[in-house]
Amino acid sequence: EAGVAQSPRYKIIEKRQSVAFWCNPISGHATLYWYQQILGQGPKLLIQFQNNGVVDDSQLPKDRFSAERLKGVDSTLKIQPAKLEDSAVYLCASSLNGGGIQETQYFGPGTRLLVL
Amino acid sequence: QKEVEQNSGPLSVPEGAIASLNCTYSDRVSQSFFWYRQYSGKSPELIMSIYSNGDKEDGRFTAQLNKASQYVSLLIRDSQPSDSATYLCAVNVIRGGSNYKLTFGKGTLLTVNP
Repeated sequence: EAGVAQSPRYKIIEKRQSVAFWCNPISGHATLYWYQQILGQGPKLLIQFQNNGVVDDSQLPKDRFSAERLKGVDSTLKIQPAKLEDSAVYLCASSLNGGGIQETQYFGPGTRLLVL
Repeated sequence: QKEVEQNSGPLSVPEGAIASLNCTYSDRVSQSFFWYRQYSGKSPELIMSIYSNGDKEDGRFTAQLNKASQYVSLLIRDSQPSDSATYLCAVNVIRGGSNYKLTFGKGTLLTVNP
């Protein structure tokens, strides 16, 4: 079974530029998550999708971050404009159903973003 | 108080020893708990999950849960250099109805010395 795919793996941009990340979840997984992991910290949930609807985006900085999951499969996360503090690893994860109490999340390899 | 707290370490143990990793959480109604391992530059991978009080064993790994004390731990027996990684404790925090959010601690860096 193929895992969660993400691209690009690395990205270097200058502040105030825009950037987009792509994620393809495990086939059949209804729930997709975007996490931000700053160096030395645990992953922090940015947004959770159930199929193509948003379940939780309470920690997404909506003035600069946006995300969509068209057709309930692939997802893109965009930052515009980027700030220095956005330098982090952006992890995409997926799970089978609705993020229930015992549901396992499977992580992709992440995109490492450096904002100069 | 942070939702999930871990000692950031580093925790250093000799090869063959038992490594003990600890985690406390603040939400008393949390019901599911996960340990992820993250190698440097890699993404987290699930090692263990535990839902009931007591111990759960899987090979060299044992997860222990004490809901009354809001404490969960991971023991690694016969530690190997390949176990050197950051171990992330994650807790499912209820956010209303049947929706849960997985909240991670900062992680504990474990180094196993040959």
